[in-house]
Amino acid sequence: GAGVSQSPSNKVTEKGKDVELRCDPISGHTALYWYRQSLGQGLEFLIYFQGNSAPDKSGLPSDRFSAERTGGSVSTLTIQRTQQEDSAVYLCASTRLDTQYFGPGTRLTVL
Amino acid sequence: KQEVTQIPAALSVPEGENLVLNCSFTDSAIYNLQWFRQDPGKGLTSLLLIQSSQREQTSGRLNASLDKSSGRSTLYIAASQPGDSATYLCAVTETSGSRLTFGEGTQLTVNP
Repeated sequence: GAGVSQSPSNKVTEKGKDVELRCDPISGHTALYWYRQSLGQGLEFLIYFQGNSAPDKSGLPSDRFSAERTGGSVSTLTIQRTQQEDSAVYLCASTRLDTQYFGPGTRLTVL
Repeated sequence: KQEVTQIPAALSVPEGENLVLNCSFTDSAIYNLQWFRQDPGKGLTSLLLIQSSQREQTSGRLNASLDKSSGRSTLYIAASQPGDSATYLCAVTETSGSRLTFGEGTQLTVNP
């Protein structure tokens, strides 16, 4: 079956521009997570959606970052006024039976 | 705050060798622990999930153990192959469905 998909796979943008990253979770998975993997920083949690509950936004690094999940499925992570330190791989995961299944990630480069 | 540490940071072994990767966590009140594999430029692939009530899990040549009270887990890889070369990540959750807290990973190279 299809896994978690993310688009675009690569995104290059100029400092100050807004970007949107998309995640399509595995069908039927109710929980969705966003993580960021920066060079030399390891993987850090950003935000978590579970069903119709209010999302856990405690990992978002600044108010320039926001995310939404429409219809309990697709999620979009938006970064406004991008900065060079936002350059990283953004990974999305969905969960079944406590196991998190990850997408291939979006590599964001801010020039 | 939960912290996860993995040792060694990098490991290079000849093909066929058995090896052990180590993971430790500071807060023993975990819900589960998961081992992942990450290939260069790719996402994470889940290898093994150990619930806090379990001591170990096995899948093929992989065996993961968990000693919750001491805050440690090991990933044992038997008869290593060049295709095992990747970065191995350990991560814990503190409650059901909560975020994963990751270690920095061990970069494994298996030489033919």
